[in-house]
Amino acid sequence: DGGITQSPKYLFRKEGQNVTLSCEQNLNHDAMYWYRQDPGQGLRLIYYSQIVNDFQKGDIAEGYSVSREKKESFPLTVTSAQKNPTAFYLCASSGTAGVGGELFFGEGSRLTVL
Amino acid sequence: QQPVQSPQAVILREGEDAVINCSSSKALYSVHWYRQKHGEAPVFLMILLKGGEQKGHEKISASFNEKKQQSSLYLTASQLSYSGTYFCGTVVVSSNTGKLIFGQGTTLQVKP
Repeated sequence: DGGITQSPKYLFRKEGQNVTLSCEQNLNHDAMYWYRQDPGQGLRLIYYSQIVNDFQKGDIAEGYSVSREKKESFPLTVTSAQKNPTAFYLCASSGTAGVGGELFFGEGSRLTVL
Repeated sequence: QQPVQSPQAVILREGEDAVINCSSSKALYSVHWYRQKHGEAPVFLMILLKGGEQKGHEKISASFNEKKQQSSLYLTASQLSYSGTYFCGTVVVSSNTGKLIFGQGTTLQVKP
């Protein structure tokens, strides 16, 4: 079955530690996205990539980093510079350039900083 | 840049209708609508393209007013399964790339 797989589903981290969230898709989509979700604030765009080896900052990129070395993979690293990293993180992909088509979301990763 | 949704929350009885609005301060190229149930990933409902609209579901439809930079989602004869948070997303184009920016969401609760 085609889809997007995020891991881990739950993650606990101590302050000052970096953590990497995995996002893999087998939909052969060019575009991939990372969103952060906090209660009452909707989905906020962290980074997006429309093609391999290229990515752009979203609205809240500070304290995060990404890579896009393979079409099917778009990992997100939450660095120690992110001041409030506890949140629900969603990865998505789209087969249409310029976001003209629907986004397919993964099940999400919930990060808690202790 | 974030589109504004209204109302923030709606409570309905089964069979009642609801309208969720989405407005943007920028010109809209397309509008997406998604529904998210608690603890789950958002699910695509429909997309409306500039110059037209596309109906994605039988009792859930939407309109797109380019001049007013607004879109509305219509839920008719609501069912319990309609409960969830609805998000509109608008495409923002910059440096020849497009990104989808979501509104803050509208929480819909349908009661028996």
